[in-house]
This record gives sequence, C-alpha cells and structure tokens, in this order.
Amino acid sequence: TQLLEQSPQFLSIQEGENLTVYCNSSSVFSSLQWYRQEPGEGPVLLVTVVTGGEVKKLKRLTFQFGDARKDSSLHITAAQPGDTGLYLCAGGFQKLVFGTGTRLLVSP
Amino acid sequence: EAQVTQNPRYLITVTGKKLTVTCSQNMNHEYMSWYRQDPGLGLRQIYYSMNVEVTDKGDVPEGYKVSRKEKRNFPLILESPSPNQTSLYFCASSLFSVGYGYTFGSGTRLTVV
Repeated sequence: TQLLEQSPQFLSIQEGENLTVYCNSSSVFSSLQWYRQEPGEGPVLLVTVVTGGEVKKLKRLTFQFGDARKDSSLHITAAQPGDTGLYLCAGGFQKLVFGTGTRLLVSP
Repeated sequence: EAQVTQNPRYLITVTGKKLTVTCSQNMNHEYMSWYRQDPGLGLRQIYYSMNVEVTDKGDVPEGYKVSRKEKRNFPLILESPSPNQTSLYFCASSLFSVGYGYTFGSGTRLTVV
C-alpha cells in the first residue's frame, strides 16, 4: 500500500514568514499533486508534477518533485493570511492516495 | 463555469432511512469518485467510476452504493445509514485519470443520529 506522510502536521506562523511543507513516501509515484482545502470546502488543485526533479512556481508557491519521485515539497514565500488552510499532497495514476495533510495558519 | 455540484450541502437523518447524495459535473470528465473525510483519517475513497456503467470499490465501500448511468452524474446511495457514516463527503471528477488531478465538489456534511 502506498502511503504519503506530510510534515509538519500543523504550522502556525506570522504574515511575511517563509515555510516549507514536505510530502514523503517509500513508493515511487508517476505523478504528484498538491491541493489546498479551506474549512467546509472541497480541496482545490494547485499543481501536478510529473517529472523527477521538476520545479513549478505558482506566484509565491514553489513546488518540487524529488529526483526519485518519492517525495515532494511546497515552499511558500512571504506567507499571507489568505494562505491559511489544509495542504494535501496526493499521488498515483489510476488510484490517488492522499497524504495526511498539513494545517497552516498564517496570522496577520 | 466548470464545476462539480453536490447536493445537499448539509443533511441530518436518522439511522436506517435511505438517502441519496447527488453529484453532477459539467466538464465531460470520464472519471468520478466519492470520498469521505474524517478527522485523523484524512480523505478515503469510497467508490469510483472510470466511465458510464463502470464502477469499482475504493478503500471504504461498506454501506454505500453508487451508479453511473450517465457520464455527468454519479450519485452516492446509503441504503441504511448508521451513525458511523456521519462524515464530510466529497464527489470529485477527473478528465481521464486521477493522475491529471481532481476537481472536487463543495462537500456534503452528513449527520446520522
């Protein structure tokens, strides 16, 4: 069974700080996705990475897929209160496995 | 607007009373899926469908049924709901395969008393 572990589980920071969230597995994934979920809403897809070593940027968010395609990271520069939410990584092709989630709180 | 629409958003029901949660997508997606989300357990797949009339069990299918008679609709049926099915439910769709990423609905919060 493929598992995705995220760290940290919780992160509380001040506006303007930088942070990194990690997503790790012992399995190789053909692709990996990152989602953000706000309370009471469904997850929203942020990015899909498919190539080992790939780096994608979405404004202040930088996503990296590990060379061996077993891990990924999400780095947020100068976090803002609007970045608050639950960040989920997910991997797989025919069947998606979701990570355990990182709950981020950015205070003004 | 491209979206996945679930109804109802909130539902309180009693044990044993059959209910259906509807899901519809307007993106002509082939793949649709149902998840439940519980604190500490994350998102768990209930059922999925790769195309019309093709459905298969996910990780937690017990107590649920689904059907896919049309491409756009994928209802979730609870024949005899029990309190352990109290959860937040999400329908999601993807163009061909989940490797391309899901579009999720807004969720249905179900309480079974």
